Amino acid sequence: GENVEQHPSTLSVQEGDSAVIKCTYSDSASNYFPWYKQELGKGPQLIIDIRSNVGEKKDQRIAVTLNKTAKHFSLHITETQPEDSAVYFCAASSDLYGSARQLTFGSGTQLTVLP
Amino acid sequence: ETGVTQSPTHLIKTRGQQVTLRCSSQSGHNTVSWYQQALGQGPQFIFQYYREEENGRGNFPPRFSGLQFPNYSSELNVNALELDDSALYLCASSLKQGANEKLFFGSGTQLSVL
Repeated sequence: GENVEQHPSTLSVQEGDSAVIKCTYSDSASNYFPWYKQELGKGPQLIIDIRSNVGEKKDQRIAVTLNKTAKHFSLHITETQPEDSAVYFCAASSDLYGSARQLTFGSGTQLTVLP
Repeated sequence: ETGVTQSPTHLIKTRGQQVTLRCSSQSGHNTVSWYQQALGQGPQFIFQYYREEENGRGNFPPRFSGLQFPNYSSELNVNALELDDSALYLCASSLKQGANEKLFFGSGTQLSVL
């Protein structure tokens, strides 16, 4: 089955700096890669996703890049703010139709933005 | 606000008991997925329900079972509870539309097994 590894497990940055979180996956058939943000006491919130036919996607301060050859994808957050502090999870799905039917999650990155 | 609601928010059970967790999907969604999240880990896929039938299952034993109702709400049932079942149980809903499906999670039910 799919295996997703996520690094780093913890990340501290100064407010205004950029943060980068990286994930690798094992199943070359994986074709859908969402990122979730989880705040304390809440469920994961979808912040951005990318499908295998796209190499990069951007939404305001958040961007995701995908390298299918190397089987890795990354989350980039620019101009970080204290409210960005949370646990971030990457995930991958190898469902035939590129749906989100069965996501395999990474182990999470605790991001702390220092004021 | 995702619109996915789960009940109860917290639950305490003893080993060997049975538990039922409930989920109401977001308006307009027709698919419900359940995930187990142990402390400090990422969510793990339990199963998904679409058109009231199981549509994929992760590596969980048969004592984990589910239902989806005509209004797309869902239940997760766990029999013969074990200490390792203590976790946050997350429900996620989606609109089954092939390559554009996205999962939206509720806040979860925190289950403690003593």
